[in-house]
Amino acid sequence: SQQGEEDPQALSIQEGENATMNCSYKTSINNLQWYRQNSGRGLVHLILIRSNEREKHSGRLRVTLDTSKKSSSLLITASRAADTASYFCATDRGTSYGKLTFGQGTILTVHP
Amino acid sequence: GAVVSQHPSWVICKSGTSVKIECRSLDFQATTMFWYRQFPKQSLMLMATSNEGSKATYEQGVEKDKFLINHASLTLSTLTVTSAHPEDSSFYICSAREGMYGYTFGSGTRLTVV
Repeated sequence: SQQGEEDPQALSIQEGENATMNCSYKTSINNLQWYRQNSGRGLVHLILIRSNEREKHSGRLRVTLDTSKKSSSLLITASRAADTASYFCATDRGTSYGKLTFGQGTILTVHP
Repeated sequence: GAVVSQHPSWVICKSGTSVKIECRSLDFQATTMFWYRQFPKQSLMLMATSNEGSKATYEQGVEKDKFLINHASLTLSTLTVTSAHPEDSSFYICSAREGMYGYTFGSGTRLTVV
């Protein structure tokens, strides 16, 4: 079953603007990850934030995690047309198998 | 970085036939691999966890006799869709866990059953 809920489901912005996507989950986690998927392609890992971390940066990406609210956000600053893709959060509950549970995803469209 | 190769990238088959999808970890050993299914504009649904040298663990609602998983070596897992029907048409993605936190995904296989 899908644990994560993401909002918005779709986001359309202009190049240069910032894009913020949110993810909520239901159970305790070991870490939360964000992935990007271009249409019809595989997933690309963007960033991982552990349950004891509150914020993490990687280039134009900023991820926050609030375990008390069971939510995370992904901020893409100064967006580019090439950022157009679907973005998914995925939670790892830390079981021995390391299964990931994916959110519903946000479709981001960046207009040039 | 870790690379997972998935093959084929797309396949069209006739209803009633079987299709095999391969997932290989190219530069690391993966004792555990995962198979996901994704319908258009939807999220990834975990189908099963593939364990090297033992039986796969299937998620609730996934027919193990229909989706056969074999993980015969530390670098190869295969998913066979048996007696495929049009409702099996979907995008199938594998992933492998490398190290403590790293997950690498294959590029996916678009299956169309006609």
